[in-house]
Amino acid sequence: SQKIEQNSEALNIQEGKTATLTCNYTNYSPAYLQWYRQDPGRGPVFLLLIRENEKEKRKERLKVTFDTTLKQSLFHITASQPADSATYLCAPILSGGSYIPTFGRGTSLIVHP
Amino acid sequence: DAGITQSPRHKVTETGTPVTLRCHQTENHRYMYWYRQDPGHGLRLIHYSYGVKDTDKGEVSDGYSVSRSKTEDFLLTLESATSSQTSVYFCAISEFRQGEGEQFFGPGTRLTVL
Repeated sequence: SQKIEQNSEALNIQEGKTATLTCNYTNYSPAYLQWYRQDPGRGPVFLLLIRENEKEKRKERLKVTFDTTLKQSLFHITASQPADSATYLCAPILSGGSYIPTFGRGTSLIVHP
Repeated sequence: DAGITQSPRHKVTETGTPVTLRCHQTENHRYMYWYRQDPGHGLRLIHYSYGVKDTDKGEVSDGYSVSRSKTEDFLLTLESATSSQTSVYFCAISEFRQGEGEQFFGPGTRLTVL
């Protein structure tokens, strides 16, 4: 069955460092992959989308990679700030189907000042 | 923020009672979705709609029904609530169905079934 894996343990880093979050998927060949941010008590907020033919996508301090051979996406936040503390969800999307994202459980990021 | 509201925001009900959650959007987006989010499971799709009166089931649709009589409203009904339906429910909208269509989420409804 299709499976999405994100680190269940929280990632703790110091302010100013680069945070790297991992999303692995199995039995899947997504054409797209989205990343969302979720703060406690709020709905997820879209951050970035990357297509299968793109290796890397950047937006300000955010960078996403998509390795279809490894079946993995990495999400980087450079020069991290305490305000970046949140849960980050990856959401692979299959083409040729409903095109609806299937969400991972998310990884909590805590940036310490 | 995208114009999405959910009502009620919090609800406590008893097992066996019917419950209806409402999602209202002002963006005129075609696609609307209902998810539930539980610890250890993440977001799971319940039902979605691709137009007025057009709906389809998601991953965890048993025990839920939906209706969409207007573009702006998408209702989720629990015909007879059970304790396993205690959860946080999120509505989402998107303009496009294709994978490039980002979803905009509402603030959520916390439902407790006693």
